[in-house]
Parts: sequence; structure tokens; C-alpha cells
Amino acid sequence: EVQLVESGGGLVQPGGSLRLSCAASGFTFSSYWMSWVRQAPGKGLEWVANIKQDGSEKYYVDSVKGRFTISRDNAKNSLYLQMNSLRAEDTAVYYCARDLGSYDILTGYASSHFDYWGQGTLVTVSS
Amino acid sequence: QSALTQPASVSGSPGQSITISCTGTSSDVGGYNYVSWYQQHPGKAPKLMIYEVSNRPSGVSNRFSGSKSGNTASLTISGLQAEDEADYYCSSYTSSSTTVFGGGTKLTVL
Repeated sequence: EVQLVESGGGLVQPGGSLRLSCAASGFTFSSYWMSWVRQAPGKGLEWVANIKQDGSEKYYVDSVKGRFTISRDNAKNSLYLQMNSLRAEDTAVYYCARDLGSYDILTGYASSHFDYWGQGTLVTVSS
Repeated sequence: QSALTQPASVSGSPGQSITISCTGTSSDVGGYNYVSWYQQHPGKAPKLMIYEVSNRPSGVSNRFSGSKSGNTASLTISGLQAEDEADYYCSSYTSSSTTVFGGGTKLTVL
């Protein structure tokens, strides 16, 4: 059974940092792209970032570029999101998700959909 | 990276059919067949319902179907049931190598 379990959320002051983790099990973690998706309280879903199987390619939504870093440790079957310079608008439930897509030799990887999601971890940025 | 446009709410009676639209641009919905739909019940994680415009994952009821025309994708739910009441989100791959979601649609089963 595929399982994704996020951890590391909590209350942090504006300008602070936090590192989220996602422990994966039930599938060959090293064979899949992975993504982080967030949801502000009472709001919709927002894709944050994704990472290639070996960590060599990463993509981010504009609003977190330069502040957030996605990474992974395939030996530990774990996905991470390092969040720096946090702002109030980063307050959200953060989900990790398995990212399925396809590769085109000319355009690279195209993410198609997210088939498994964790239960989420809440990050609150407030003074 | 503007969000895709969905109606804020739709409603229908049990047994009826409803359709939720998802409008983007030629840089996302119109440019790729990588449109997917997610169902989210309150306090729960999203669940994949449709991928690559019209494909259903194993275990998803065939009452759920998807389609696309130009820059607009649609999710149709036939034979509405009480348990279908939830929020629904569309998403699409974009020409910027990112993913964009719609704002979400609240489905009410009357």
C-alpha cells in the first residue's frame, strides 16, 4: 500500500525557516518524480515544486523561487521541503504527492497528475 | 501562472448530472492533454478522479468522466450521489514546466 506521511509543520515567525519531510513507503520511491502542493486555510490547491527521481531537475512556482528548496534522499525514501524567509502567505497545509508524467526528448518532463497524496502538515507563519 | 478558472459552486439533485468547467489558456489546458481532476472532502487530502483529460484511475466510479475542447476542460458527474458532495479541482501542466490548479468548485447535492 502506497503511503506518504508528512511531518515538520508548525508555527514559525515571519522571516523564519522550517523543513518539511515526507516519508514514502509501499512503492519504489527512487523511480518517481515527487511534488509538494499546498492549501491555504479555506483556499484552493497550489502546486509548489517538484523533483526528478535523482534530484537533478527541480521546478518551482514563482512565489517560492529563491526561498524554498525541494530535495530528496532516496536511501531514506524521503522527500523534503526547506522553507526560508517565510511569509504570512505561506501559511497552508503542505501535501507531498507522487507525481506521474512523461518525458519528451525535446521539452523534458511534463507532469501529468498526482496519484497519491499524504495527509498534509500545517505550517503557520505568524508573529 | 494564473489559476485556471472554475465556477465557485454547482449543485444538483440526486440522480442528476452536473458538469464543472475549467478554463485556461493555450499555454496550459489548451496546449497539453495533461488535465486532471481531484475530489476533496472537508479535512481530507485530495483524491485523483480523472487524469490526462479523460482517464479514470482504477477504483473511481464510471459516473465520473472528463473531456476537453480548446482551452476548456470539463468534469461530468452523472447519477449524482450524496457522497459526491465535495470540492473539485482541475489542474494542468503548463508551458513553464509547472502545474497550475483551478480555484476549486464546491459541489452541493441538494
